[in-house]
Amino acid sequence: GENVEQHPSTLSVQEGDSAVIKCTYSDSASNYFPWYKQELGKGPQLIIDIRSNVGEKKDQRIAVTLNKTAKHFSLHITETQPEDSAVYFCAVAGGTLTFGKGTMLLVSP
Amino acid sequence: SQTIHQWPATLVQPVGSPLSLECTVEGTSNPNLYWYRQAAGRGLQLLFYSVGIGQISSEVPQNLSASRPQDRQFILSSKKLLLSDSGFYLCAWMDSGNTIYFGEGSWLTVV
Repeated sequence: GENVEQHPSTLSVQEGDSAVIKCTYSDSASNYFPWYKQELGKGPQLIIDIRSNVGEKKDQRIAVTLNKTAKHFSLHITETQPEDSAVYFCAVAGGTLTFGKGTMLLVSP
Repeated sequence: SQTIHQWPATLVQPVGSPLSLECTVEGTSNPNLYWYRQAAGRGLQLLFYSVGIGQISSEVPQNLSASRPQDRQFILSSKKLLLSDSGFYLCAWMDSGNTIYFGEGSWLTVV
């Protein structure tokens, strides 16, 4: 089955800095790559996704890049704010959806 | 638009008692439905998924069961809870583009 590795497990940045979270996957047939943000005590919320026919997608301060050859994709958050603090999950879909183990992002004022 | 509801939001149950968590989806028909659990830590563990009424697939052997009595209703149950069943339970549904949408979660504490 699919194997998804997510790094780092914890990331601390200062407000205004950029944050990058990376995921690798094993199944080259996977074609859909969403990112979720989970705030404490709440369900994960989809924040951005990318499909295999696109290399990059941006939505205001967040972007996702995909390298299908290398089988990795990354979440980029620019100009981080304290409200960006949360746990972020990547996921990979081919048939079923497989999640990474999550990254706790802490943005300090 | 589609919405997903699950309840109760918080539950404290004694060891050996039964459990029933309910989930309903509105605004779509015949969705794939999922139950996930988050124990201590952050990982999302898939427990059950269903592609239709009465069709349940189990991902891990455990003390829990799931049922789908109606198209947009998914129920997580246990006959006798264990301490290890404590955790944050999430119901989810998948749209035709493989995007999964989660409910707000149910906190279960077994004491």
